[in-house]
Amino acid sequence: EIVLTQSPGTLSLSPGERATLSCRASQSVSSSYLAWYQQKPGQAPRLLIYGASSRATGIPDRFSGSGSGTDFTLTISRLEPEDFAVYYCQQYGSSSSLTFGGGTKVEIK
Amino acid sequence: EVQLVESGGGLVQPGGSLRLSCSASGFTFSSYAMHWVRQAPGKGLEYVSAISSNGGSTYYADSVKGRFTISRDNSKNTLYLQMSSLRAEDTAVYYCVKDLRYGSALYYFDYWGQGTLVTVSS
Repeated sequence: EIVLTQSPGTLSLSPGERATLSCRASQSVSSSYLAWYQQKPGQAPRLLIYGASSRATGIPDRFSGSGSGTDFTLTISRLEPEDFAVYYCQQYGSSSSLTFGGGTKVEIK
Repeated sequence: EVQLVESGGGLVQPGGSLRLSCSASGFTFSSYAMHWVRQAPGKGLEYVSAISSNGGSTYYADSVKGRFTISRDNSKNTLYLQMSSLRAEDTAVYYCVKDLRYGSALYYFDYWGQGTLVTVSS
């Protein structure tokens, strides 16, 4: 099973700042199968990025994804008040295993 | 508008059974793979199960294999999760989730229900 490790656990930033979230895999992940989700308290997760870098429908362009192999990044170029939430990465592997990272909380500084 | 509405959660004793349902609308249900994802209170996301669009293929996480059964009724636009031999560690909010891709599963989840809470406790 591929383990996804997200860092940092918590990111304290101010609105307008840039956020860089990391997702590291225990073994290589096909870029076609790496996604990012946002979850706000009391809500279901929301798909932001799939295929490592493709934005889902309706996602603002301040969200971008990059990376390959074992290292992937979600970047929020300028934090808006509604962006403070928990972010999860997710991978789907060739052995039909699917795992989520432990999450990064982006909080207001 | 895509809607996924789960039901059937509640309090159950260890070793007991429960069936979750998910009523889908706003899209051609029979053309998409569907999934269940769960989240223990205050914890992260855990993938549970998947079913192909026609119900012919299923997948289970090791943690639930042999205890949970996923199924669907395309005539009723409804997804199910039959859970048996429940354990305390199965306590979680269970989300019904739609696959992003039309046809075969891509294992990205573009629509989520609001979730239903299953509590396993004596």
